[in-house]
Amino acid sequence: GQNIDQPTEMTATEGAIVQINCTYQTSGFNGLFWYQQHAGEAPTFLSYNVLDGLEEKGRFSSFLSRSKGYSYLLLKELQMKDSASYLCAVRLMEYGNKLVFGAGTILRVKS
Amino acid sequence: DADVTQTPRNRITKTGKRIMLECSQTKGHDRMYWYRQDPGLGLRLIYYSFDVKDINKGEISDGYSVSRQAQAKFSLSLESAIPNQTALYFCATSREAYNEQFFGPGTRLTVL
Repeated sequence: GQNIDQPTEMTATEGAIVQINCTYQTSGFNGLFWYQQHAGEAPTFLSYNVLDGLEEKGRFSSFLSRSKGYSYLLLKELQMKDSASYLCAVRLMEYGNKLVFGAGTILRVKS
Repeated sequence: DADVTQTPRNRITKTGKRIMLECSQTKGHDRMYWYRQDPGLGLRLIYYSFDVKDINKGEISDGYSVSRQAQAKFSLSLESAIPNQTALYFCATSREAYNEQFFGPGTRLTVL
């Protein structure tokens, strides 16, 4: 089966840095996505990693280690609007490259 | 204007009723997907379609059916709704397998 694990909840302070981890055990790995989802809204794309290493995009960075089955999303200079759920999703090579999602990490940013 | 739209946005229905959720997109993407989201379980794939003539079951297709009426339209039906189908349903599209998926605003379905 496919297994993706993320912490359920995290709390951080405005202006700080937070790292959200994702570990996965899947067959036929073909890339990893991070999405942001505000309460009651649609998920929106944040980042994509297919090769090992760090991808940086403004205040957000994502890291991948395929050998360890591990990724993290790094959020810098936290703002109140970053309070949301962060979804890790693995794309599988089989089954038409479908995405398998983790349950998501609820991030609460406090002032 | 939204690129991926879903109707209705909210629906309350009774056990045994037939329900159809509709999804339309103006992004010109070939690939369309239906997911359901439940607290603590994340998004789970119900059905997906790579083009009008290609429909595939996802992880949790039992109790659901779909219709791809055109490249831009993908409908999800619950033939006889049951309470454990109460969930938030999302439609998504992607240009190709290697691209990110774009999600509609969701339909909140409650089955009493």
